Amino acid sequence: SAVISQKPSRDICQRGTSLTIQCQVDSQVTMMFWYRQQPGQSLTLIATANQGSEATYESGFVIDKFPISRPNLTFSTLTVSNMSPEDSSIYLCSVSEQGRGDYGYTFGSGTRLTVV
Amino acid sequence: AQKVTQAQTEISVVEKEDVTLDCVYETRDTTYYLFWYKQPPSGELVFLIRRNSFDEQNEISGRYSWNFQKSTSSFNFTITASQVVDSAVYFCALSGSFGSARQLTFGSGTQLTVLP
Repeated sequence: SAVISQKPSRDICQRGTSLTIQCQVDSQVTMMFWYRQQPGQSLTLIATANQGSEATYESGFVIDKFPISRPNLTFSTLTVSNMSPEDSSIYLCSVSEQGRGDYGYTFGSGTRLTVV
Repeated sequence: AQKVTQAQTEISVVEKEDVTLDCVYETRDTTYYLFWYKQPPSGELVFLIRRNSFDEQNEISGRYSWNFQKSTSSFNFTITASQVVDSAVYFCALSGSFGSARQLTFGSGTQLTVLP
């Protein structure tokens, strides 16, 4: 399965600033996703990162707040903009791979963000 | 729309007890995939199992076993002879097989605590 390198692993940021999270995959993958996990909560899909076009955002998430880039099939970034303490969460990237007729999902190790 | 329900928020057992984590899902897709992930305190998501909708065979892997029943839309997870290292949050998840349905929908998770 694909190996994902996600950076940074953690950060403490001042409110009002922005943080860009990187996700590098060791192979070309069709579908990449970004998730948010608020403290004590489940994972919520932010958006699907599309190569060469704008990301597809889920309800409640907007491009101005969470701009996403995906310049190629192995790399994507998520920016958390104009941060507030409510943005303190774990952010995870994920890729979907097809093998032997079904699908698997691999996750990065996550970025633990604290906004102060 | 897809939905995954994990009704058990927290479960606490004593070491060596057996424990079953419940998962009920909803989907209109005829082809879909079910997953279980483990999230230890360190935060990373550990893949445990994937099951497609056409394979209702139960599976056993060491102390872990899974019971998939399409008739009741359930995919329950049993840990036999639990150990302290099993303490974690366990997520059940569901995906479709085409397009946007391939995104993973997670249940709310079950916090399992195994006491020595």
